[in-house]
Amino acid sequence: SQQGEEDPQALSIQEGENATMNCSYKTSINNLQWYRQNSGRGLVHLILIRSNEREKHSGRLRVTLDTSKKSSSLLITASRAADTASYFCATRRANQAGTALIFGKGTTLSVSS
Amino acid sequence: GAVVSQHPSWVICKSGTSVKIECRSLDFQATTMFWYRQFPKQSLMLMATSNEGSKATYEQGVEKDKFLINHASLTLSTLTVTSAHPEDSSFYICSARERGGEKLFFGSGTQLSVL
Repeated sequence: SQQGEEDPQALSIQEGENATMNCSYKTSINNLQWYRQNSGRGLVHLILIRSNEREKHSGRLRVTLDTSKKSSSLLITASRAADTASYFCATRRANQAGTALIFGKGTTLSVSS
Repeated sequence: GAVVSQHPSWVICKSGTSVKIECRSLDFQATTMFWYRQFPKQSLMLMATSNEGSKATYEQGVEKDKFLINHASLTLSTLTVTSAHPEDSSFYICSARERGGEKLFFGSGTQLSVL
């Protein structure tokens, strides 16, 4: 079953604009991860935020985590056409080392030049 | 970063035949590998978890006799779709994790089309 739910499902913006995607999850977690998938390809890990962190940055990416609301957001600043892809949040249930990541439904981002 | 090689990238087969998909970790030892299935414009659905040298753990609703998973070494896992039918047509993606690691490294996926 899906652990996370992203919104919006689809997002279209112009180059240079910021893109914000949200993710909600259901159970307690140790960390939350964001992945990117180009059409017809595998996923690439973007960033991991631990349950005791509230915000994390990596280049043009900014991730926040609110464990009280069981939600996270991914912000891509100054977007580029190359950022066009689907973005998924993923979690693993707490205290279950070795278990797989469960992915949300994803947000499809289209950045036009 | 770690590289996971998956092949074939795409395969077309006749109904009733079996198809094997390979997933290799090229520069690290993958103690655990995961197989996912993805339908168009949808998320990844976990099919099974495979640990080297032991039987795979299948998710509820996934037929273990239809989707045979073998993880014979620390760098290779295979998924065999047996007696494939058109409803098995999908995008299959493998991923791997190092011992103690949190991130997953993904193969590039296999698009299976069953005629």
